[in-house]
Amino acid sequence: GAGVSQSPSNKVTEKGKDVELRCDPISGHTALYWYRQRLGQGLEFLIYFQGNSAPDKSGLPSDRFSAERTGESVSTLTIQRTQQEDSAVYLCASSTSGRSTDTQYFGPGTRLTVL
Amino acid sequence: AQSVTQPDIHITVSEGASLELRCNYSYGATPYLFWYVQSPGQGLQLLLKYFSGDTLVQGIKGFEAEFKRSQSSFNLRKPSVHWSDAAEYFCAVATYYNQGGKLIFGQGTELSVKP
Repeated sequence: GAGVSQSPSNKVTEKGKDVELRCDPISGHTALYWYRQRLGQGLEFLIYFQGNSAPDKSGLPSDRFSAERTGESVSTLTIQRTQQEDSAVYLCASSTSGRSTDTQYFGPGTRLTVL
Repeated sequence: AQSVTQPDIHITVSEGASLELRCNYSYGATPYLFWYVQSPGQGLQLLLKYFSGDTLVQGIKGFEAEFKRSQSSFNLRKPSVHWSDAAEYFCAVATYYNQGGKLIFGQGTELSVKP
């Protein structure tokens, strides 16, 4: 079946603009995660959705970052008033139920460049 | 707080040689441990994972990893490296008490393979 998809694959924006990044999880996966990968660094957890539960936003770096998820489907990560330090690859992952033992399946990522 | 350390940023091995990538974690109890591989232009792919039981786990592509509680390590090994193994490798940890299974990643080890 189809894997996790993300769009756009690349996004170049000017400092101060807002951007929206989209993630389509694997069908039937109730858990969805967003991570950020800065150049030369590992992945940093941003936010986690599980079913209809309140999301775990503990990894969001500032209030300029927000995310929504429609039911158990698409998620959108929004960055307002982008800054140059927001330049990174944003990765989305999904898993069947959000248990710690579940495999997370990653999308190809969105490369964000803030000029 | 949980953390993961990959001491080697970059490793070069000759094709056919053996490989060992190091990973150390910090956590008070037994964590859930993962190795992911990221090939250029592709998303992360799970190589293997450890939760409990036999401390030597087998993964895809001929990789294996050994959990050593006394050393807080989960090193990845392969007896004979192929040129197609050139990629970035990430060690990650999730914990039993970490609701939602969010992963904490190391900074990654980039593997180059010499012909």
